[in-house]
Amino acid sequence: EIVLTQSPDFQSVTPKEKLTITCRASQSIGSSLHWYQQKPGQSPKLLIKYASQSFSGVPSRFSGSGSGTDFTLTINSLETEDAATYYCHQTSRLPKTFGQGTKVEIK
Amino acid sequence: EEQLVESGGGLIQPGGSLRLSCVGSGFTFNNYAMSWVRQAPGKGLEWLSVIGGSGGNTVYADSVKGRFTISRDNSKNTVFLQMNSLRAEDTAVYYCAKDPNFVPAPSTVWGQGTLVIVSS
Repeated sequence: EIVLTQSPDFQSVTPKEKLTITCRASQSIGSSLHWYQQKPGQSPKLLIKYASQSFSGVPSRFSGSGSGTDFTLTINSLETEDAATYYCHQTSRLPKTFGQGTKVEIK
Repeated sequence: EEQLVESGGGLIQPGGSLRLSCVGSGFTFNNYAMSWVRQAPGKGLEWLSVIGGSGGNTVYADSVKGRFTISRDNSKNTVFLQMNSLRAEDTAVYYCAKDPNFVPAPSTVWGQGTLVIVSS
């Protein structure tokens, strides 16, 4: 199965800062890499699909890039409501897999 | 509004069985694949299984293959997860999710989850 490794595991940032989370796949997955946000006690919400396509209703400060094995999620001008855990997810090959998550704390 | 509602979770002894249900509404249920994903307490997301819209195609994660079975009843807009030979490590919140296709689309709508606790 394809292993996704995110970095960092945890990041503490101040409002209005820019944050970049990376996700590396153990083998090439093309652009079938997606990003989810999960807040405590809530189900995951899709932010970015196919590496760089924003999902409906997602604020424009969230963006994604990458292809093959290396991907990034960027959050520009962080807001307090962005405190959450972010997961990358590949659907290129079955079984589908998730990264281990990156917890983002807002100072 | 598209919605998924899971049910069937609870406390079960090791070695026992449980069947989770997930009812979809607000969309044409049989047009979509459906997935199950779980999250152990304080841990990350673990993808478990997917079933195609007609129910003919299914795939499982190695961690549950042979113990869990996904199925669906399109006449009732419901997807199921039959879980047998449950272990303590199966303790988790179980989510169902709607997938635009079997592969490679990501899940776009998730339920609120149902908690399964495997303990004696």
